[in-house]
Amino acid sequence: DTGVSQDPRHKITKRGQNVTFRCDPISEHNRLYWYRQTLGQGPEFLTYFQNEAQLEKSRLLSDRFSAERPKGSFSTLEIQRTEQGDSAMYLCASGRAGQAEQYFGPGTRLTVT
Amino acid sequence: GENVGLHLPTLSVQEGDNSIINCAYSNSASDYFIWYKQESGKGPQFIIDIRSNMDKRQGQRVTVLLNKTVKHLSLQIAATQPGDSAVYFCAETYSNYQLIWGAGTKLIIKP
Repeated sequence: DTGVSQDPRHKITKRGQNVTFRCDPISEHNRLYWYRQTLGQGPEFLTYFQNEAQLEKSRLLSDRFSAERPKGSFSTLEIQRTEQGDSAMYLCASGRAGQAEQYFGPGTRLTVT
Repeated sequence: GENVGLHLPTLSVQEGDNSIINCAYSNSASDYFIWYKQESGKGPQFIIDIRSNMDKRQGQRVTVLLNKTVKHLSLQIAATQPGDSAVYFCAETYSNYQLIWGAGTKLIIKP
């Protein structure tokens, strides 16, 4: 399967703990996007990378959230000191610069207890 | 994701009938529109796209119509099948990177 993959698929953590998610994009795609989705809503943009550069970060993203894409391939999204409001599905998508199409992974469902 | 269809507008269609899902977009400067399908527990799946210089585009069993005058987008699915059950989102973009998503419509297929 050469689509976007995410790991883990599910994560349950206690409030205050740190969590890290991984996304592996489609190999020839140079853009990688992170979104958050809550029940009944469309995906909410968090940040995106072109190659290893983080080009945009949503104003909604608090300082507890950080994303990296060190080699321009896979990316990680870390949430520090998790809160119950962080419970959501975290989606990763990839695409090509100059093209608006984005291809999504299956998501990581985070539950903060 | 799971239960993504909670609290969304719902469209119920008889199997075999045609479905029409509507979307109002927000930015008259948007130049590219995409329809996504999201099944429970999965990420959004690209269905079809259209550029602002077009008013109609057809795919396999799907047609997207764009009316820029009233900022309206629709997705028509021909001969709806049980596998079409999902939540459908429209998305617009004008910056070539950030998709702005509509509210989503849950499509239910009645046997």
